[in-house]
Amino acid sequence: GQQLNQSPQSMFIQEGEDVSMNCTSSSIFNTWLWYKQEPGEGPVLLIALYKAGELTSNGRLTAQFGITRKDSFLNISASIPSDVGIYFCAGQLTGTSYGKLTFGQGTILTVHP
Amino acid sequence: DTGVSQDPRHKITKRGQNVTFRCDPISEHNRLYWYRQTLGQGPEFLTYFQNEAQLEKSRLLSDRFSAERPKGSFSTLEIQRTEQGDSAMYLCASSPDRGRSSPLHFGNGTRLTVT
Repeated sequence: GQQLNQSPQSMFIQEGEDVSMNCTSSSIFNTWLWYKQEPGEGPVLLIALYKAGELTSNGRLTAQFGITRKDSFLNISASIPSDVGIYFCAGQLTGTSYGKLTFGQGTILTVHP
Repeated sequence: DTGVSQDPRHKITKRGQNVTFRCDPISEHNRLYWYRQTLGQGPEFLTYFQNEAQLEKSRLLSDRFSAERPKGSFSTLEIQRTEQGDSAMYLCASSPDRGRSSPLHFGNGTRLTVT
């Protein structure tokens, strides 16, 4: 079963607001990834993190790999309507095969114009 | 880069029938993965191939499921004697073999509905 707790489950925000979501686990991960999924499509990679403490940005998105290696967060600044979708964190557990990812339950983001 | 291609996009079948899905990975990627996603959940790992070798299978992959990648290029996932619980989105992903610095690229999935 799922070993990642992702929160919040959903967010309703106004255009222009900043957004923050996170994933936590009781297990240690050696890679954290953040994906966005839109209806009828597969997940699209947003940011990949490979080292504890790493902070990486991709445009308005910023994500961090927690120091304990058991958590990660994603921030979106100045949200726009096209940010709508489901955001998933995913991690690779230490000792598992590369590509065998564990996904969170997702955060549904709604942006009101 | 044409991306990961999956066919069909949608499949409706009656319980007990067999179904087969196809995945064409990004051409230079030698790793290929199958995941399953049910409504309201994140994807769950099913199996993966490096070239033509199937290297790992999840316990989710019952005996009714079989995956192949005969020439190390496209892959097929077959489900025999489908059950209503098999209804889900089946996602294929690929990556090059450069270790963990080569994240997975997903296709748009095949949505299976078992009636």
